[in-house]
Amino acid sequence: ETGVTQTPRHLVMGMTNKKSLKCEQHLGHNAMYWYKQSAKKPLELMFVYSLEERVENNSVPSRFSPECPNSSHLFLHLHTLQPEDSALYLCASSQGAGVNYGYTFGSGTRLTVV
Amino acid sequence: AQSVAQPEDQVNVAEGNPLTVKCTYSVSGNPYLFWYVQYPNRGLQFLLKYITGDNLVKGSYGFEAEFNKSQTSFHLKKPSALVSDSALYFCAVRLLKAAGNKLTFGGGTRVLVKP
Repeated sequence: ETGVTQTPRHLVMGMTNKKSLKCEQHLGHNAMYWYKQSAKKPLELMFVYSLEERVENNSVPSRFSPECPNSSHLFLHLHTLQPEDSALYLCASSQGAGVNYGYTFGSGTRLTVV
Repeated sequence: AQSVAQPEDQVNVAEGNPLTVKCTYSVSGNPYLFWYVQYPNRGLQFLLKYITGDNLVKGSYGFEAEFNKSQTSFHLKKPSALVSDSALYFCAVRLLKAAGNKLTFGGGTRVLVKP
């Protein structure tokens, strides 16, 4: 385990379902991120939270809704997804500005939209 | 805007031979540079970083990388590859004062080490 835990590991959902992905870290980090990793595509940064405030939203469709209730938890709420949203969703965390260690990643949630 | 490029989608190497994975970057300030590795169905794992100082940095699992400012490159190297090094490798760059500590990743290079 890396210190960043993502649940569930695998999720299959229909296009009309509502589900949520969960990310949890107890590393004392104060920034958290959602990335989307699709086959044969670069890692796509979706959302950035710093000190529990969203500081970046990279033109992500509204069917993806993030939530950061505290510095240890990050959620990605999903609704009315499309098959092209099937991907590996990675959560990461990092310390504040000035830290040199990059990100700590979770193992990801493999999402399949049917 | 900062960017990072990995020109090779895949690198094939025989076990025991040297391994090099290429990365070039483009930033307007002083970069922090990182390499990550991803094994199947796993998240990315930190390998090594360059912040400042010695241009040759050593990381996990026998990997090293050389920062070359004039060529804006940060190639990952391993003197003798193992079959277990077969994975997806990502180069990443972060500006010293990037908002939200944003890392920009390259497209990834798949490494296949054959016995």
